Amino acid sequence: EPEVTQTPSHQVTQMGQEVILRCVPISNHLYFYWYRQILGQKVEFLVSFYNNEISEKSEIFDDQFSVERPDGSNFTLKIRSTKLEDSAMYFCASTDRTVMNTEAFFGQGTRLTVV
Amino acid sequence: ELKVEQNPLFLSMQEGKNYTIYCNYSTTSDRLYWYRQDPGKSLESLFVLLSNGAVKQEGRLMASLDTKARLSTLHITAAVHDLSATYFCAVDGYGNKLVFGAGTILRVKS
Repeated sequence: EPEVTQTPSHQVTQMGQEVILRCVPISNHLYFYWYRQILGQKVEFLVSFYNNEISEKSEIFDDQFSVERPDGSNFTLKIRSTKLEDSAMYFCASTDRTVMNTEAFFGQGTRLTVV
Repeated sequence: ELKVEQNPLFLSMQEGKNYTIYCNYSTTSDRLYWYRQDPGKSLESLFVLLSNGAVKQEGRLMASLDTKARLSTLHITAAVHDLSATYFCAVDGYGNKLVFGAGTILRVKS
Protein backbone atom coordinates (compact mmCIF):
# COMPACT_ATOMS: atom_id res chain seq x y z
CA GLU A 1 0.00 0.00 0.00
CA PRO A 2 1.44 3.40 -0.93
CA GLU A 3 2.43 5.56 1.99
CA VAL A 4 3.92 8.92 2.86
CA THR A 5 7.40 8.59 4.34
CA GLN A 6 9.21 11.13 6.47
CA THR A 7 12.80 11.45 7.59
CA PRO A 8 14.23 11.71 10.12
CA SER A 9 11.84 10.27 12.69
CA HIS A 10 13.43 12.36 15.42
CA GLN A 11 15.65 15.43 15.18
CA VAL A 12 17.29 17.27 18.04
CA THR A 13 18.70 20.67 17.24
CA GLN A 14 20.07 23.68 19.06
CA MET A 15 18.10 26.88 19.14
CA GLY A 16 19.03 29.10 16.21
CA GLN A 17 20.06 26.25 13.94
CA GLU A 18 18.46 25.44 10.61
CA VAL A 19 16.63 22.17 10.14
CA ILE A 20 15.24 20.47 7.08
CA LEU A 21 12.49 17.92 7.43
CA ARG A 22 12.00 15.59 4.50
CA CYS A 23 8.97 13.88 3.09
CA VAL A 24 8.25 11.61 0.16
CA PRO A 25 4.55 11.94 -0.70
CA ILE A 26 2.54 9.23 -2.42
CA SER A 27 3.72 9.18 -6.01
CA ASN A 28 0.55 10.09 -7.91
CA HIS A 29 -0.62 12.71 -5.43
CA LEU A 30 -0.64 16.34 -6.43
CA TYR A 31 -1.20 18.25 -3.20
CA PHE A 32 1.24 18.27 -0.34
CA TYR A 33 0.92 19.61 3.17
CA TRP A 34 2.77 20.17 6.39
CA TYR A 35 1.00 20.07 9.72
CA ARG A 36 2.41 20.26 13.21
CA GLN A 37 1.31 19.01 16.59
CA ILE A 38 2.74 20.42 19.76
CA LEU A 39 2.82 17.75 22.44
CA GLY A 40 -0.65 17.09 23.81
CA GLN A 41 -2.33 19.58 21.51
CA LYS A 42 -4.30 19.44 18.30
CA VAL A 43 -2.94 19.13 14.80
CA GLU A 44 -2.41 22.52 13.13
CA PHE A 45 -2.15 23.30 9.44
CA LEU A 46 1.06 24.97 8.33
CA VAL A 47 1.13 25.06 4.54
CA SER A 48 -0.25 23.48 1.39
CA PHE A 49 1.66 23.13 -1.86
CA TYR A 50 0.43 22.48 -5.37
CA ASN A 51 1.97 22.83 -8.80
CA ASN A 52 5.30 23.89 -7.32
CA GLU A 53 3.98 26.75 -5.30
CA ILE A 54 2.39 27.45 -1.96
CA SER A 55 -1.40 27.47 -2.26
CA GLU A 56 -2.12 28.44 1.32
CA LYS A 57 -0.24 29.03 4.54
CA SER A 58 -1.25 29.64 8.13
CA GLU A 59 -0.16 32.39 10.49
CA ILE A 60 2.30 29.93 12.02
CA PHE A 61 4.14 29.67 8.71
CA ASP A 62 6.16 32.87 8.98
CA ASP A 63 9.38 33.92 7.26
CA GLN A 64 11.36 31.35 9.22
CA PHE A 65 9.61 28.56 7.35
CA SER A 66 9.93 27.54 3.74
CA VAL A 67 8.93 24.56 1.64
CA GLU A 68 10.41 23.12 -1.49
CA ARG A 69 9.97 20.28 -3.89
CA PRO A 70 13.57 19.96 -5.05
CA ASP A 71 12.95 16.98 -7.33
CA GLY A 72 10.09 14.80 -8.49
CA SER A 73 9.70 12.93 -5.24
CA ASN A 74 10.80 14.90 -2.17
CA PHE A 75 8.94 17.64 -0.34
CA THR A 76 10.86 19.50 2.34
CA LEU A 77 10.11 21.87 5.19
CA LYS A 78 12.93 24.16 6.27
CA ILE A 79 13.03 26.11 9.49
CA ARG A 80 15.80 28.69 9.20
CA SER A 81 16.47 29.60 12.80
CA THR A 82 14.73 27.27 15.21
CA LYS A 83 13.12 28.47 18.41
CA LEU A 84 12.22 26.47 21.50
CA GLU A 85 8.55 26.80 20.59
CA ASP A 86 9.16 25.03 17.27
CA SER A 87 9.49 21.79 19.21
CA ALA A 88 6.63 19.62 17.95
CA MET A 89 5.73 16.65 15.82
CA TYR A 90 5.68 17.64 12.16
CA PHE A 91 3.49 15.66 9.82
CA CYS A 92 3.64 15.63 6.05
CA ALA A 93 0.50 14.69 4.14
CA SER A 94 -0.53 14.30 0.53
CA THR A 95 -3.80 14.02 -1.35
CA ASP A 96 -5.07 13.48 -4.83
CA ARG A 97 -7.82 16.08 -5.04
CA THR A 98 -8.74 15.16 -8.57
CA VAL A 99 -10.97 12.39 -7.28
CA MET A 100 -14.02 12.56 -5.02
CA ASN A 101 -12.25 11.04 -2.09
CA THR A 102 -9.83 13.71 -1.00
CA GLU A 103 -8.56 11.79 1.99
CA ALA A 104 -5.24 13.07 3.27
CA PHE A 105 -2.62 10.45 3.95
CA PHE A 106 -0.20 11.33 6.71
CA GLY A 107 3.39 10.29 7.20
CA GLN A 108 4.61 8.89 10.48
CA GLY A 109 5.92 12.29 11.56
CA THR A 110 9.21 13.87 12.55
CA ARG A 111 9.59 14.76 16.18
CA LEU A 112 11.59 17.98 16.37
CA THR A 113 13.16 18.86 19.69
CA VAL A 114 14.81 22.28 19.97
CA VAL A 115 17.16 22.64 22.93
CA GLU B 1 -12.79 31.19 9.85
CA LEU B 2 -13.64 27.52 10.18
CA LYS B 3 -13.69 26.26 13.75
CA VAL B 4 -14.04 22.62 14.75
CA GLU B 5 -15.10 21.61 18.24
CA GLN B 6 -15.04 18.15 19.69
CA ASN B 7 -16.59 16.91 22.87
CA PRO B 8 -15.89 15.40 25.18
CA LEU B 9 -12.15 16.06 25.27
CA PHE B 10 -11.59 13.16 27.61
CA LEU B 11 -13.65 10.02 27.87
CA SER B 12 -13.12 7.20 30.30
CA MET B 13 -15.36 4.24 29.70
CA GLN B 14 -15.80 0.72 30.88
CA GLU B 15 -15.37 -2.14 28.49
CA GLY B 16 -18.63 -3.18 26.92
CA LYS B 17 -20.25 0.24 27.17
CA ASN B 18 -21.43 2.50 24.35
CA TYR B 19 -20.61 6.15 23.89
CA THR B 20 -20.60 8.91 21.29
CA ILE B 21 -18.03 11.57 20.44
CA TYR B 22 -19.38 14.75 18.85
CA CYS B 23 -17.75 17.02 16.30
CA ASN B 24 -19.30 20.39 15.47
CA TYR B 25 -17.99 22.78 12.88
CA SER B 26 -18.76 26.38 12.15
CA THR B 27 -18.99 26.81 8.38
CA THR B 28 -20.33 24.82 5.47
CA SER B 29 -18.33 21.80 4.45
CA ASP B 30 -19.26 18.51 2.83
CA ARG B 31 -16.16 16.60 3.81
CA LEU B 32 -15.26 15.37 7.22
CA TYR B 33 -12.68 12.88 8.39
CA TRP B 34 -12.05 10.91 11.54
CA TYR B 35 -8.53 9.93 12.55
CA ARG B 36 -7.12 7.82 15.32
CA GLN B 37 -3.78 8.61 16.96
CA ASP B 38 -1.91 6.34 19.35
CA PRO B 39 0.62 8.01 21.68
CA GLY B 40 3.66 9.22 19.76
CA LYS B 41 2.30 7.90 16.49
CA SER B 42 0.89 9.28 13.29
CA LEU B 43 -2.71 9.83 12.26
CA GLU B 44 -4.54 6.76 11.07
CA SER B 45 -7.50 7.42 8.83
CA LEU B 46 -10.71 5.85 10.14
CA PHE B 47 -13.55 7.33 8.12
CA VAL B 48 -14.08 9.66 5.20
CA LEU B 49 -17.55 11.24 5.13
CA LEU B 50 -18.31 13.04 1.90
CA SER B 51 -21.98 13.91 1.90
CA ASN B 52 -24.95 14.75 4.07
CA GLY B 53 -26.35 11.66 5.74
CA ALA B 54 -23.20 9.61 5.16
CA VAL B 55 -22.82 6.77 7.63
CA LYS B 56 -19.84 4.45 7.77
CA GLN B 57 -19.06 1.58 10.08
CA GLU B 58 -15.90 -0.34 10.82
CA GLY B 59 -15.97 -2.86 13.62
CA ARG B 60 -17.15 -1.20 16.82
CA LEU B 61 -16.96 2.31 15.38
CA MET B 62 -19.63 4.08 13.38
CA ALA B 63 -19.39 7.61 12.02
CA SER B 64 -22.11 9.84 10.59
CA LEU B 65 -22.34 13.28 9.07
CA ASP B 66 -25.17 15.82 9.14
CA THR B 67 -24.03 18.74 7.02
CA LYS B 68 -27.16 20.77 7.75
CA ALA B 69 -26.48 20.62 11.48
CA ARG B 70 -22.72 20.81 10.85
CA LEU B 71 -22.32 17.82 13.12
CA SER B 72 -20.55 14.51 12.92
CA THR B 73 -20.67 11.73 15.47
CA LEU B 74 -18.36 8.84 16.19
CA HIS B 75 -20.24 6.12 18.01
CA ILE B 76 -18.44 3.43 19.93
CA THR B 77 -20.29 0.18 20.53
CA ALA B 78 -19.28 -2.27 23.27
CA ALA B 79 -15.90 -0.66 23.83
CA VAL B 80 -12.77 -2.78 24.16
CA HIS B 81 -9.38 -1.79 25.55
CA ASP B 82 -7.79 -1.74 22.09
CA LEU B 83 -9.90 1.29 21.21
CA SER B 84 -7.99 3.42 23.72
CA ALA B 85 -6.43 6.26 21.68
CA THR B 86 -7.00 9.90 20.77
CA TYR B 87 -9.64 10.50 18.12
CA PHE B 88 -9.64 13.59 15.95
CA CYS B 89 -12.24 14.87 13.57
CA ALA B 90 -11.04 17.12 10.76
CA VAL B 91 -13.06 19.22 8.38
CA ASP B 92 -12.06 20.04 4.85
CA GLY B 93 -11.89 23.82 4.98
CA TYR B 94 -11.84 26.16 2.04
CA GLY B 95 -8.36 26.81 0.82
CA ASN B 96 -7.26 23.25 0.56
CA LYS B 97 -6.51 22.32 4.16
CA LEU B 98 -7.85 20.26 7.04
CA VAL B 99 -8.95 21.95 10.25
CA PHE B 100 -8.75 19.60 13.20
CA GLY B 101 -10.71 19.41 16.39
CA ALA B 102 -8.88 19.33 19.71
CA GLY B 103 -9.15 15.56 19.92
CA THR B 104 -10.90 13.21 22.31
CA ILE B 105 -8.71 11.08 24.55
CA LEU B 106 -10.48 7.76 24.97
CA ARG B 107 -9.52 5.38 27.77
CA VAL B 108 -11.31 2.07 27.96
CA LYS B 109 -11.02 0.40 31.33
CA SER B 110 -11.39 -3.33 31.80
